[in-house]
Amino acid sequence: QVQLQESGPGLVKPAQTLSLSCTVSGDSINSARYYWSWIRQHPGKGLEWIGYIYYDGTTYYNPSLQSLVTISLDTSRTQFSLKLTSVTAADTAVYYCARRVAATRTGYFDLWGRGTLVTVSS
Amino acid sequence: EIVMTQSPATLSVSPGERATLSCRASQSISTNLAWYQQIPGQPPRLLIYGASTRATGIPARFSGSGSGTEFTLTISSLQSEDFAVYYCQQYNNWYTFGQGTKLEIK
Repeated sequence: QVQLQESGPGLVKPAQTLSLSCTVSGDSINSARYYWSWIRQHPGKGLEWIGYIYYDGTTYYNPSLQSLVTISLDTSRTQFSLKLTSVTAADTAVYYCARRVAATRTGYFDLWGRGTLVTVSS
Repeated sequence: EIVMTQSPATLSVSPGERATLSCRASQSISTNLAWYQQIPGQPPRLLIYGASTRATGIPARFSGSGSGTEFTLTISSLQSEDFAVYYCQQYNNWYTFGQGTKLEIK
């Protein structure tokens, strides 16, 4: 059974870089079948797609966040990571990693991690 | 950016009754729409994709319809575990989500 698990600091200071990892178990992120994604949810609010990465390292980012975001694959090929620079209180959210099938007309997210709350505060 | 608008914000329905949730896109998205269910403290769960195809393991009481800009999620006979927040998401042009409809027990 494939599972995703987010990890990383729960508290980040303003203007610093938020760094999270997602561990994929039960499947390989080397597969061409999926895009590996980050999505966030501000407290009590809706969901915002941040971006995703393909097995070959190709990345796609939300245009509104593109200048601040980097998603990368871990060399172990069992994790992928998110870096969000120059954070503010507005970046306080639950961050989810999720999987999207890599085929046409399949832009939905069929598997999610449990999420991790990141608070930006001094 | 395609804006997704869900209505109502909160829907109160009795167990066993039918619930109808709406989602509107700011421009046509064909049938590139998904629905998710989120129980508090849990991640979203994919229910419907392609506007009307149930995801693996989703009960038949969940159905989706619509195309273009108007979409509906119907839950035919509400069970206790169905009371949650529901989100629609478009994937016609990048990815955006609605603000959610909270389905509560009447």
